[in-house]
Amino acid sequence: DVKVTQSSRYLVKRTGEKVFLECVQDMDHENMFWYRQDPGLGLRLIYFSYDVKMKEKGDIPEGYSVSREKKERFSLILESASTNQTSMYLCASSPPVGEQYFGPGTRLTVT
Amino acid sequence: GENVEQHPSTLSVQEGDSAVIKCTYSDSASNYFPWYKQELGKGPQLIIDIRSNVGEKKDQRIAVTLNKTAKHFSLHITETQPEDSAVYFCAASTNFNKFYFGSGTKLNVKP
Repeated sequence: DVKVTQSSRYLVKRTGEKVFLECVQDMDHENMFWYRQDPGLGLRLIYFSYDVKMKEKGDIPEGYSVSREKKERFSLILESASTNQTSMYLCASSPPVGEQYFGPGTRLTVT
Repeated sequence: GENVEQHPSTLSVQEGDSAVIKCTYSDSASNYFPWYKQELGKGPQLIIDIRSNVGEKKDQRIAVTLNKTAKHFSLHITETQPEDSAVYFCAASTNFNKFYFGSGTKLNVKP
């Protein structure tokens, strides 16, 4: 059974803090993705990675960075959190050709 | 980039009725179209998908149709049940790289 886990379900941070969101998958998938989900906007791609140490920008990368040092782990970093980054963050993984599997999400609140 | 539009944003049906959700896409290079169901507190889960070389695909009460010429695809759920209540997302992808999501449809099935 494919499993994508995210380090926190709920997170509250202060403006200006550096925030780390961790994602781990257990299916040896090459591809990993970070999305943010906002009401009425669907899922928007922040960054994705198709191999260790490889990354590509998605549609809304500003204010975010990522790290993929190991195949199973993909981290999203908010260098200096702002209130407009309050959102639900979803991680997903997939093989090179195949469906995406999503984690349960992290609801981040920046105050 | 790709633009995926999804309608309606909310849909309320009586148990046993059918439900139809429609999506349009803009990039003719898109060749993979998955549909996801997201239940409260969970990440999206794939329920059915279709590739551009197929016009229709069915899995029990769920079916998806694709019209490449018109660049639209639809999700059909027959004999709806209360457990079908959730948010549904369509998506489009070219060769399983970036995925572009619609804004979501909240389906409510009334008992």
